[in-house]
Amino acid sequence: DAGVTQSPTHLIKTRGQQVTLRCSPKSGHDTVSWYQQALGQGPQFIFQYYEEEERQRGNFPDRFSGHQFPNYSSELNVNALLLGDSALYLCASSLERGWVGYGYTFGSGTRLTVV
Amino acid sequence: QKEVEQDPGPLSVPEGAIVSLNCTYSNSAFQYFMWYRQYSRKGPELLMYTYSSGNKEDGRFTAQVDKSSKYISLFIRDSQPSDSATYLCAMSAQRGSTLGRLYFGRGTQLTVWP
Repeated sequence: DAGVTQSPTHLIKTRGQQVTLRCSPKSGHDTVSWYQQALGQGPQFIFQYYEEEERQRGNFPDRFSGHQFPNYSSELNVNALLLGDSALYLCASSLERGWVGYGYTFGSGTRLTVV
Repeated sequence: QKEVEQDPGPLSVPEGAIVSLNCTYSNSAFQYFMWYRQYSRKGPELLMYTYSSGNKEDGRFTAQVDKSSKYISLFIRDSQPSDSATYLCAMSAQRGSTLGRLYFGRGTQLTVWP
């Protein structure tokens, strides 16, 4: 049973560019959440997708956008990259029905470096 | 004030020591309390969880939640070098507009030396 798969694992971009990160949830999960983890910090919630719609959003600017596809996979897009966007981006999947706080499965993340 | 506060350490202990990790929080709506372990450049993996108040034990690990003080702890007994990692506390509400969202502490970096 595959866990959460994220791609790519590492990425280097230049300031001002745009980036797309991808996530395939754990089999059976229908909800995808994205987190940003800066070096030395805990993960910060970006947004959550369920039924192809953004259901919740954290305190992130509109440069951060996402999408969920019918097969539950998801993309995170970041426009006009800033140096401060350098971080580990984590995708977490869960099951909407009977949701419990410990029901997340995290991927290994995409390490984004903006230069 | 951040919703979840966690001392980042670093914490360095000899093998066999008892380790105590702690977090405080401000949101009384939190009902799920989790501890994640994160190795370098990897995603967090769930170590233990507790629902509401109380203690929970799993092998060498014990999680405690004191909702009256808004304080949670993780104890590691007989610590091993393989326990060296960053430990993140995380919390979530059971209902409401933030259902499904985790709030993390910044993590405590633990090193257990032989």
